[in-house]
Amino acid sequence: EVQLLESGGGFVQPGGSLRLSCAASGFIFNSYAMNWVRQAPGKGLEWVSGISDTGAGKYYGDSVKGRFTISRDNSKNTLYLQMDSLRAEDTAVYYCAKGSVRGIFVTEAFDTWGQGSLVTVSS
Amino acid sequence: DIQMTQSPSSLSASVGDRVTITCRASQSISIYLNWYQQKPGKAPKLLIYTASSLQSGVPSRFSGGASGTDFTLTISSLQPEDFATYYCQQTYTTPRTFGQGTKVEIK
Repeated sequence: EVQLLESGGGFVQPGGSLRLSCAASGFIFNSYAMNWVRQAPGKGLEWVSGISDTGAGKYYGDSVKGRFTISRDNSKNTLYLQMDSLRAEDTAVYYCAKGSVRGIFVTEAFDTWGQGSLVTVSS
Repeated sequence: DIQMTQSPSSLSASVGDRVTITCRASQSISIYLNWYQQKPGKAPKLLIYTASSLQSGVPSRFSGGASGTDFTLTISSLQPEDFATYYCQQTYTTPRTFGQGTKVEIK
């Protein structure tokens, strides 16, 4: 069974940092692009970042560019999101999501999602 | 960035009704339009990919269509488990963008 399990969320003050992890199982992790998507309380979905199967290609949404860094460790089947200079508007549930097609980050849908990890940024 | 505009934002319908949700892209995205269903407190679930392909395991009452930059999600006969929020998403380019969502409620 394909599974994604996020961890690392929590409470942080504005300007602080947090690193999210997403442990993958049930599929060949190093063959698929991965993504982070967030959802602020009561709001819609916002794509945050994506990474190619090898990690060579990294992509970011405008609101997090320069503050967040996506990475992956294919030997550990784990996806990461390093979040720095956090702001109140970054408060959200963060989901990791798997690309639906093997290969590099292209046009694929997100076919498997984790359960989400809540990040709260507040003073 | 490509803007995705869904309509309506919400709708009320009865079990057995035919329901159609529309998503319009601000520019051409070819067929790279996906639909997701999200229930309260749960992660989104992929329903339709590349505009009209049904994801494995999704009931056949769900279907997708496309005409230029306009896309539709149709539920042919609404079931109790279909009451949820639906999102469209373009994966033609980055940043990937979602529509604002359509909440389907019980009439």
